[in-house]
Amino acid sequence: NAGVTQTPKFQVLKTGQSMTLQCAQDMNHEYMSWYRQDPGMGLRLIHYSVGAGITDQGEVPNGYNVSRSTTEDFPLRLLSAAPSQTSVYFCASSYSFVIGRGTEAFFGQGTRLTVV
Amino acid sequence: GQQVMQIPQYQHVQEGEDFTTYCNSSTTLSNIQWYKQRPGGHPVFLIQLVKSGEVKKQKRLTFQFGEAKKNSSLHITATQTTDVGTYFCAGLKAGNNRKLIWGLGTSLAVNP
Repeated sequence: NAGVTQTPKFQVLKTGQSMTLQCAQDMNHEYMSWYRQDPGMGLRLIHYSVGAGITDQGEVPNGYNVSRSTTEDFPLRLLSAAPSQTSVYFCASSYSFVIGRGTEAFFGQGTRLTVV
Repeated sequence: GQQVMQIPQYQHVQEGEDFTTYCNSSTTLSNIQWYKQRPGGHPVFLIQLVKSGEVKKQKRLTFQFGEAKKNSSLHITATQTTDVGTYFCAGLKAGNNRKLIWGLGTSLAVNP
């Protein structure tokens, strides 16, 4: 089992460029989410999805778009990169968001993004 | 804003000493989860507590969930260098379990 796969592992962007961070899981998980991690800020939720076709905003959604056309994939799009988006991005998936049905999160390896 | 306070932010111990990190939520949680993140790595799930007053053990690690389901602790007995990393708590808010609420983490350093 691959689990949660994120690509790329590292990326450098120029201000104003756009890009998509890929995330795929092969565990048939309902719930997928994107976090960013900055020093001293912990994990902050960007967007999440409770199933194919359903997405919602997290704590820090501005500047990011997501879509969930399939159960497996949950790409994160940076529309116009800014230096403030320099961070480590993690994709995570859970079997469910229903208590007792497997809410623990499985994380990808992360994408280290630098915007110059 | 942050709704789960985690303390301490950093802890530096000698190998063999005990270590405890605490999480306190402003609201009642449906569950509490604990994760460990090694330096340069990704968070890895350790355990989940669901019941009021629940205590679970994993070898040298003891996890507790408070009676009011607002606080939790992780205690490591006789730390080892392999325990180095950042420990996060995260909980699902009672009545709104679509977003995990994360503590900021406790970074543990262990001197050999």
